[in-house]
Amino acid sequence: QPVLTQPPSASASLGASVTLTCTLSSGYNNYKVDWYQQRPGKGPRFVMRVGTGGIVGSKGDGIPDRFSVLGSGLNRYLTIKNIQEEDESDFYCGADHGSGSNFVWVFGGGTKLTVL
Amino acid sequence: QVQLVESGGGLGKPGGSLRLSCAASGFTFSDYYMSWIRQAPGKGLEWVSYISSSGSTVYHADSVKGRFTISRDNAKNSLYLQMNSLRPEDTAFYYCARASSFSGGNYLDYWGQGDLVIVSS
Repeated sequence: QPVLTQPPSASASLGASVTLTCTLSSGYNNYKVDWYQQRPGKGPRFVMRVGTGGIVGSKGDGIPDRFSVLGSGLNRYLTIKNIQEEDESDFYCGADHGSGSNFVWVFGGGTKLTVL
Repeated sequence: QVQLVESGGGLGKPGGSLRLSCAASGFTFSDYYMSWIRQAPGKGLEWVSYISSSGSTVYHADSVKGRFTISRDNAKNSLYLQMNSLRPEDTAFYYCARASSFSGGNYLDYWGQGDLVIVSS
């Protein structure tokens, strides 16, 4: 099954841009990954799905145009432009993996985004 | 709009049992796979269980296999998680989430607000 790796923290100033990275383990170049945002004290919400060709499908409800994704090799990126205070959150990447009669859903450790 | 509301959490004793429920509304519940995900306080997300739209196929994480059972009642628009043989490491917020499919994969497009389970003597 794939392992998803995320840096534990990131920061950006109000109005600036930031790119968060989720790295798949070797051999999973073709996997799509989902991004989830979790604001303090809230449940996670779906942001969007990303493959090597970029966004797959549609953004989650209420996700602004400032959020975009890219995929390259084993990396899946989430970029946030014109950062707002409300963007301060934990961001997780996740992927489902089915093999025969087995199934798992894996998540990265999460990146805590601080807005300066 | 889609709503998922968890209930049934609280304090459970080691070795004891709890049953979580998730009430779904705003969509045709019987059309969707559903999942439980948990998050220990201050920690990351951990997938727990997954169930097909009819309930005929279920999957559980190795950490809960043989102790937890996911089920659903489509007539009641409800998802359940029966938790037996509780351990202190099961202490977490438990989220129910709706799973959608697109382009050969699955994603969790709506989540509840979570319900806290504390396992302690």
